[in-house]
Amino acid sequence: SQQGEEDPQALSIQEGENATMNCSYKTSINNLQWYRQNSGRGLVHLILIRSNEREKHSGRLRVTLDTSKKSSSLLITASRAADTASYFCATDYGANSKLTFGKGITLSVRP
Amino acid sequence: EPEVTQTPSHQVTQMGQEVILRCVPISNHLYFYWYRQILGQKVEFLVSFYNNEISEKSEIFDDQFSVERPDGSNFTLKIRSTKLEDSAMYFCASSQEGPQGDTQYFGPGTRLTVL
Repeated sequence: SQQGEEDPQALSIQEGENATMNCSYKTSINNLQWYRQNSGRGLVHLILIRSNEREKHSGRLRVTLDTSKKSSSLLITASRAADTASYFCATDYGANSKLTFGKGITLSVRP
Repeated sequence: EPEVTQTPSHQVTQMGQEVILRCVPISNHLYFYWYRQILGQKVEFLVSFYNNEISEKSEIFDDQFSVERPDGSNFTLKIRSTKLEDSAMYFCASSQEGPQGDTQYFGPGTRLTVL
């Protein structure tokens, strides 16, 4: 089944360092989106990358998409303690608009 | 910035009771969704809704679940007879466009606890 899977499952870094999170999926997609979730809270949309795009930037975020490897990465540069959260990739495919989420990555940024 | 809102933020109910979770999608959006997240697990799709009808639903969305857009602004999820396993965070989402691609904006969620 279509699935996004992130790795690593957990990541702990020092403030100021860069954080790289990866997502893999199984079948061809239309779009891939990254979301952030603070503990017990809602999902905040970060960035959407379409299947015909290879890279997108938004502030300190950089997302890449490699459709040949069926993978995406999210890079957060110059991390801050406020970036501490869970990060999810979500894909949609075919004629469906539903999103399929991965299990998420827990990012801890130490002050 | 427009946002999706949900009420209540937390709902506690007894097993077998009916609950209605409410959502106000972003005003110019046409596609509406419900997802749920059981504690510690993935966010799972429940149902999508467009043009006053369900466009897609998952296996989770059985006869105990229903959705409605009772007026021009609200979008509701009803669970007729709650089970313990329905305890989860329920998220509403909306998008301006649907299939093949648009950003889905999520509400803050309703935490449902079934006792």
